[in-house]
Amino acid sequence: DAGITQSPRHKVTETGTPVTLRCHQTENHRYMYWYRQDPGHGLRLIHYSYGVKDTDKGEVSDGYSVSRSKTEDFLLTLESATSSQTSVYFCAISDRGPGANVLTFGAGSRLTVL
Amino acid sequence: AQSVTQLDSQVPVFEEAPVELRCNYSSSVSVYLFWYVQYPNQGLQLLLKYLSGSTLVKGINGFEAEFNKSQTSFHLRKPSVHISDTAEYFCAVSLLSWGKFQFGAGTQVVVTP
Repeated sequence: DAGITQSPRHKVTETGTPVTLRCHQTENHRYMYWYRQDPGHGLRLIHYSYGVKDTDKGEVSDGYSVSRSKTEDFLLTLESATSSQTSVYFCAISDRGPGANVLTFGAGSRLTVL
Repeated sequence: AQSVTQLDSQVPVFEEAPVELRCNYSSSVSVYLFWYVQYPNQGLQLLLKYLSGSTLVKGINGFEAEFNKSQTSFHLRKPSVHISDTAEYFCAVSLLSWGKFQFGAGTQVVVTP
């Protein structure tokens, strides 16, 4: 997990409250991603970023928004959390050139929505 | 669109026995293929990758995988497992030269003495 920090690592919240997860990298990598991991589904892409202020939707983006105002930070926001968003969230990074085909993951953020 | 199917959700195996984890993919174009491992309460780590060239790919910790284009498979093997290989293993594909990976559902490997 060197070079990628996710915060918070654990969070319990109530339905309807906003939640923001932060991903911080020190690798100066161009691409950043948010995945969620659920049993039986593997990892599913929520949103990704290909540069500062450049983001796009993944396969499960409903109910989530992202922002990237600096190369090193990628924020995932749940505007109004629901129980179906209880999951483990992983941030990942990759770079241009030969490093573009390798995802490096953070340690994960476990979110429980009651 | 591409998809990934891991054929076994759980594989129990005895220590020092061989193991094979099966992965099939579907895609109408060429893909890059990967295996990642997730140890308990950790993020995912790259085990190995196939981008081009030799179809037999060697990774870390004694794992290897073989790309079979005709069968659209990328099975992972290890000839002799250790207790420390207990983990969840994910197969993944990517169409692009960066990102937007598609992951399989994962295979939980449980190694017992």
